[in-house]
Amino acid sequence: KQEVTQIPAALSVPEGENLVLNCSFTDSAIYNLQWFRQDPGKGLTSLLLIQSSQREQTSGRLNASLDKSSGRSTLYIAASQPGDSATYLCAVYNAGNMLTFGGGTRLMVKP
Amino acid sequence: SAVISQKPSRDICQRGTSLTIQCQVDSQVTMMFWYRQQPGQSLTLIATANQGSEATYESGFVIDKFPISRPNLTFSTLTVSNMSPEDSSIYLCSVGTDGNTIYFGEGSWLTVV
Repeated sequence: KQEVTQIPAALSVPEGENLVLNCSFTDSAIYNLQWFRQDPGKGLTSLLLIQSSQREQTSGRLNASLDKSSGRSTLYIAASQPGDSATYLCAVYNAGNMLTFGGGTRLMVKP
Repeated sequence: SAVISQKPSRDICQRGTSLTIQCQVDSQVTMMFWYRQQPGQSLTLIATANQGSEATYESGFVIDKFPISRPNLTFSTLTVSNMSPEDSSIYLCSVGTDGNTIYFGEGSWLTVV
């Protein structure tokens, strides 16, 4: 059974810092890995999707990497802003169209 | 991409009643899923909604409690039956696209009193 872990569970940083969120998974036989953002009281917004054959994806200030063999992914946020404050969820996509989510990292960026 | 609309967005329900949540997608999609997010927790898959056949439920979820319909490729409903306070959660509809990206609706926030 796939298990996904996100570290840290919570993070508070001053504005402008570069930061890294970590995601690890136990079963490396994944199809894709996807990073989401969830704002309080809202649904999930897809940030980046990394196919199993890819090593990284970039969108603006976000860069996500994937190392299948070690069961790890990182989400790098450059020059953090208060508007980045949210919960960030990592999810892996296994056979049978099943997404398994990590517990999330609650990010607070202070002005 | 896919735009997903969920109704209701929020509701307060009496114990013992049932509520049906609707999920409408702006395009035809093959895969539709229903998730639950309990307070302070991450998301848990309830079931995969299959068009034209019975939904596929995950361990711990049963059809009598969470009946699901999927009459076509753009619409699905999830009913939470005989609600108790433990059912207070966010219920999210999601869809899978050909590019394998998963999109989520805004969620339906249910509070059972």
